[in-house]
Amino acid sequence: EIVLTQSPATLSLSPGERVTLSCTASQSVSMYLAWYQQKVGQAPRLVIYDASNRATGIPARFSGSGSGTDFTLTITSLEPEDFAVYYCQQRSNWPYTFGQGTKLQIK
Amino acid sequence: QVQLVQSGSEVKKPGASVKVSCKASGYSFTRYYMHWMRQAPRQGLEWMGVIDPSGGGTTYAKQFQGRLTMTRDLSTSTVYMEVGSLRSDDSAVYYCAAYGSGIHASFDYWGQGTLVTVSS
Repeated sequence: EIVLTQSPATLSLSPGERVTLSCTASQSVSMYLAWYQQKVGQAPRLVIYDASNRATGIPARFSGSGSGTDFTLTITSLEPEDFAVYYCQQRSNWPYTFGQGTKLQIK
Repeated sequence: QVQLVQSGSEVKKPGASVKVSCKASGYSFTRYYMHWMRQAPRQGLEWMGVIDPSGGGTTYAKQFQGRLTMTRDLSTSTVYMEVGSLRSDDSAVYYCAAYGSGIHASFDYWGQGTLVTVSS
């Protein structure tokens, strides 16, 4: 089973700031990594697929990069609606494991 | 539009089974695999398994093998997920999600979630 480790666990930031979230895989997942945003009481929403492709309707301030074992999700200028929990998920091998999440909270 | 509609909340006793449904509409049901995830209170997402609606083939996460069953009904475009031998730590919100791969990797739709509570 591929283990995904996200860092940091929690980030306290202000609107307008830039943020980079990290996801590291225990073995290569090639480009098959997705990022999800989840708000309280809601199902997760796809943000990035295949490491660097924005999902439909996702603003351009979101970008993803990486391949192999190291991936990042960057939000260039945080908007109030971006404060949520972000999960990475590998879709290289079953089981399609998730990272433990990074919580973005307002400072 | 694409929709995945799950069945309602359930309360079960330890040792019982629960069966959750996920009805798909707005796309070709057999085109995309259906995955199931769960999320315990204040915890992260856990992938449980996947079913190929076309052929019915399944793959389950190791920790669920022996008590997890996924099936589908082509006539109603519905997938079912059944967990047996329930324990208190099975209390969670259960989600179905249809997503694609390759050139269809952007296809990603989730159900609204079904709360399952296991309590004596």
